Amino acid sequence: AQKVTQAQTEISVVEKEDVTLDCVYETRDTTYYLFWYKQPPSGELVFLIRRNSFDEQNEISGRYSWNFQKSTSSFNFTITASQVVDSAVYFCALSEMRSSASKIIFGSGTRLSIRP
Amino acid sequence: SAVISQKPSRDICQRGTSLTIQCQVDSQVTMMFWYRQQPGQSLTLIATANQGSEATYESGFVIDKFPISRPNLTFSTLTVSNMSPEDSSIYLCSASQGNTEAFFGQGTRLTVV
Repeated sequence: AQKVTQAQTEISVVEKEDVTLDCVYETRDTTYYLFWYKQPPSGELVFLIRRNSFDEQNEISGRYSWNFQKSTSSFNFTITASQVVDSAVYFCALSEMRSSASKIIFGSGTRLSIRP
Repeated sequence: SAVISQKPSRDICQRGTSLTIQCQVDSQVTMMFWYRQQPGQSLTLIATANQGSEATYESGFVIDKFPISRPNLTFSTLTVSNMSPEDSSIYLCSASQGNTEAFFGQGTRLTVV
């Protein structure tokens, strides 16, 4: 069975601090996708990144970076120099890799609060 | 990327009534999904909306309670039937095309009183 665990329920940091959101996943599939989504207070779900299981290279996009480690089944997300606008709930998610898209299994989410 | 529009964005409904939520995608997509997000919780998949056939429901969700239609490759509806306060949630439509990231609508905030 597939499962995504986000052990950090809530994180609060002061603006400009770096913060890492943890994500651990379980799957029996050898090929899969991992995602991060952001849900701001307005409620919409904003896609941040998709990573396939073949590619363990870390990725950086501006202040965001992702560390994928297959050996520990982790896909952690780091925000550098956090800003108040980063305050949101962040979801890590997992889906199978098929010729057609598969359903996504979400973690429980981490609520991130950035204090000015 | 696909743009997904959901209607209504929010509603307050009386218990015992039904609400139909519409999901429109700006391009043809292979897969459409409906998720529920209860207050303070994560997203749970309700069903996969299959074009031209019956939806595939996840454990704990049944067609009588959550009938789904998908008449074409760009549109789907979810009905929440015989509502109770426990159905108060955000309902989100999702769509993807092949091996691409899944995009989500802005959600429908439902409050049942």
